[in-house]
Amino acid sequence: QLVLTQSPSASASLGASVKLTCTLSSGHSSYTITWHQQLAGKGPRYLMKVNSDGSHNKGDGIPDRFSGSSSGAERYLTISSLQSEDEADYYCQTWGTGIRVFGGGTKLTVL
Amino acid sequence: EVQLLESGGGLVQPGGSLRLSCVASGFTFSSCGMSWVRQAPGKGLEWVANIVDSGGSTYYADSVKGRFTISRDNSKDTLYLQMNSLRAEDTALYYCAKDPAGSRGSYPDYWGQGTLVTVSS
Repeated sequence: QLVLTQSPSASASLGASVKLTCTLSSGHSSYTITWHQQLAGKGPRYLMKVNSDGSHNKGDGIPDRFSGSSSGAERYLTISSLQSEDEADYYCQTWGTGIRVFGGGTKLTVL
Repeated sequence: EVQLLESGGGLVQPGGSLRLSCVASGFTFSSCGMSWVRQAPGKGLEWVANIVDSGGSTYYADSVKGRFTISRDNSKDTLYLQMNSLRAEDTALYYCAKDPAGSRGSYPDYWGQGTLVTVSS
């Protein structure tokens, strides 16, 4: 079964870096995933696509502070030089034949 | 500029029906797959359904299969979601989203702002 697992919460200080993790279920370690940001009270925003080889393709207007990487079944979203406006929920997403799956989301708090 | 404008949400009784619409602009609608994603109050994102660019194939989450129907009118740049036999657990903010052109059954690269559906007696 295709499942994405995310930690419910994360926190980091203003100006620091944070690395969020999305883990693919067993047997799905080669899957591409995408990251989406949801600010409080807003619709989601596509950030990037992250492939199993670590390459990533960002959406329109996404700052260089946002980057993606991979290791095995884990996919990462790294945000550097954290700003207050980065405080949001972050969701990973993937797809299979006739199905799309979202992770449970990580709530990022900027201290 | 890509814009996706949802409408049609509201309060409906259990067992009732509702049709959501999403009018698209700023891109070639007929070249992009589209999807509906919902978010129950205080919860995460849940994929509901998606449809390929031509409308020839549709896919549904098990939670809505047999009750919801996704469709599109490429002449009107509009996506629809017909929701029947609504249940309390269908209460959510429903988002319309577009896929990148040329991709099939993959991921959303633009999202709307959502329309709220409340199922309650």
